[in-house]
Amino acid sequence: SQKIEQNSEALNIQEGKTATLTCNYTNYSPAYLQWYRQDPGRGPVFLLLIRENEKEKRKERLKVTFDTTLKQSLFHITASQPADSATYLCARFNDYKLSFGAGTTVTVRA
Amino acid sequence: DGGITQSPKYLFRKEGQNVTLSCEQNLNHDAMYWYRQDPGQGLRLIYYSQIVNDFQKGDIAEGYSVSREKKESFPLTVTSAQKNPTAFYLCASSARDNFVSNQPQHFGDGTRLSIL
Repeated sequence: SQKIEQNSEALNIQEGKTATLTCNYTNYSPAYLQWYRQDPGRGPVFLLLIRENEKEKRKERLKVTFDTTLKQSLFHITASQPADSATYLCARFNDYKLSFGAGTTVTVRA
Repeated sequence: DGGITQSPKYLFRKEGQNVTLSCEQNLNHDAMYWYRQDPGQGLRLIYYSQIVNDFQKGDIAEGYSVSREKKESFPLTVTSAQKNPTAFYLCASSARDNFVSNQPQHFGDGTRLSIL
């Protein structure tokens, strides 16, 4: 079965630093990977999608990379702010549905 | 504003009782999904529907049932056969998936179900 794993350790960083989150997958590379943000007690909110043939995608202070050799996607939050504190989920698409990782919780200290 | 509305936000179930969680969307999306989220675990797919009057089991469908009589609505029933129903339930919708495009999913704010 296709698995997707995120670094389970929570990430605590100082405001202004860059947070880097990891998403690893097994078996064949998905055609797409998606990243979502989830705040406590709320539903996930879509952030970015990256395609297999894209090495990098950016949106404001967010950057996502996709390395099919390492079977890994990295998610970066640059110039982090306390408002970036949340859980970030990656998801892969296969068989008409998304499979989600467990998420990585990021806390940005002022 | 378009979006997905889940109700109620909190729900309590007695032993042996069926309960129904509501999910309504006004995004004109064809596809709708139900997920279950437990602490420390990823979202697990319960059921999904790509079109009205059609739905498929996800990875953990046992003890749950759904219907899709209208495009806007995709209610989930947690039956008494579901022995561990305490969880956070999320409903989502998307434009219809196909092999070419990968549509992002739009989520509601969930229903937290607990056992009395």
